[in-house]
Amino acid sequence: DTGVSQDPRHKITKRGQNVTFRCDPISEHNRLYWYRQTLGQGPEFLTYFQNEAQLEKSRLLSDRFSAERPKGSFSTLEIQRTEQGDSAMYLCASSLNPFDEQFFGPGTRLTVL
Amino acid sequence: AQTVTQSQPEMSVQEAETVTLSCTYDTSESDYYLFWYKQPPSRQMILVIRQEAYKQQNATENRFSVNFQKAAKSFSLKISDSQLGDAAMYFCAYNQGGSEKLVFGKGTKLTVNP
Repeated sequence: DTGVSQDPRHKITKRGQNVTFRCDPISEHNRLYWYRQTLGQGPEFLTYFQNEAQLEKSRLLSDRFSAERPKGSFSTLEIQRTEQGDSAMYLCASSLNPFDEQFFGPGTRLTVL
Repeated sequence: AQTVTQSQPEMSVQEAETVTLSCTYDTSESDYYLFWYKQPPSRQMILVIRQEAYKQQNATENRFSVNFQKAAKSFSLKISDSQLGDAAMYFCAYNQGGSEKLVFGKGTKLTVNP
């Protein structure tokens, strides 16, 4: 399967802990996007990369959140000092060209106790 | 603020019938792209159909078609000959020329009754 993959699929953590998620895009896609989806809502944009450059960040991405794509391939999203409000599904997507279809991964479901 | 409104939280349709899902959006831009995505239960989101705002012709993909009314900022999705596999959350989304982020609506849950 050459689709977008995310790891882990589920993460349960205690408030105050740090967590890191990984996304592997479709191999030839140079664009990678992170979204957050809470129950009953549509996905909300967090940030995106073109190759290794982070080109846009949402105001939702507080100082506790950091994303990287060091070699322009996989990306990581780290949340420091997690809060209960961080509980959500974190979705990764990739695309080949701007404004083309974004291909989504299965998501990482984060639960903060 | 960029917004997408899906006024129908839930819809249901009989198998083989036709259903239309509503979407309106708010933008001051003239160049943008519109999408309908489908999210089946516990499965990943997939693209149903895409429309470029500068194209007047409505996009179609097999049983799926859109009614794009640019002046009214309306982008509805019509599903013909509904199948059980069409049951899912459907999200309307758009992005504006200049930003690649997708702005999503809250979604419509579609139930298909046999």
